[in-house]
Amino acid sequence: EVQLVESGGDLVKPGGSLRLSCAASGFTFSDAWMTWVRQAPGKGLEWVGRIKSTRHGGTTDYAAPVKGRFTISRDDSKNTLYLQMNSLKTEDTAVYYCATYDSGSGSPTSWGQGTLVTVSS
Amino acid sequence: QSALTQPPSASGSPGQSVTISCTGTSSDVGGYNFVSWYQQHPGKAPKLMIYGVSKRPSGVPDRFSGSKSGNTASLTVSGLQAEDEADYYCSSYAGSSVVFGGGTKLTVL
Repeated sequence: EVQLVESGGDLVKPGGSLRLSCAASGFTFSDAWMTWVRQAPGKGLEWVGRIKSTRHGGTTDYAAPVKGRFTISRDDSKNTLYLQMNSLKTEDTAVYYCATYDSGSGSPTSWGQGTLVTVSS
Repeated sequence: QSALTQPPSASGSPGQSVTISCTGTSSDVGGYNFVSWYQQHPGKAPKLMIYGVSKRPSGVPDRFSGSKSGNTASLTVSGLQAEDEADYYCSSYAGSSVVFGGGTKLTVL
């Protein structure tokens, strides 16, 4: 069974940094494409970015609002996905979900439970 | 990339059918057969219900079906049940990105 557990969410001041982690189990993490999706309080889902499997180059793509500020990385030896968030803004306040990404259908598939990031002074 | 357009709300009585639309452009919904639908109950993570326009993951009831015509995709829930009350989101592959709809709150009357 696919399990994804996010951690690292916290209260941070505008302009600050935070790193989220997503521990994966129940599947071959090194072969998986992974993605981050966020949801602001009371709002809809917003795609953050995606990282391909290492075998496919481990390259990343980002949504325009976070490009240049957020970085997705992976450590296949630890079965862990990361989201480094810099220059945080109040509008980055959201629950952040990690999910597996099916390249054959272009869709996030299995989701973690999410971790809350609050950006406020 | 603009969000896909969904109606904010939909409703139906138990046993009835309801259809939720999701309108995009030729750069996303219309350009690929990569539309997915998610169900989200309050305080829970989204759950994949439909992928590839009309495919159901294992364990999803066949009461849930998807279709697409041009730039508009649709999710139909037949034989509505109380537990179907939730928020529903569509998503589409859009080249190097993914775009979501704004969400539809489905109420079972």
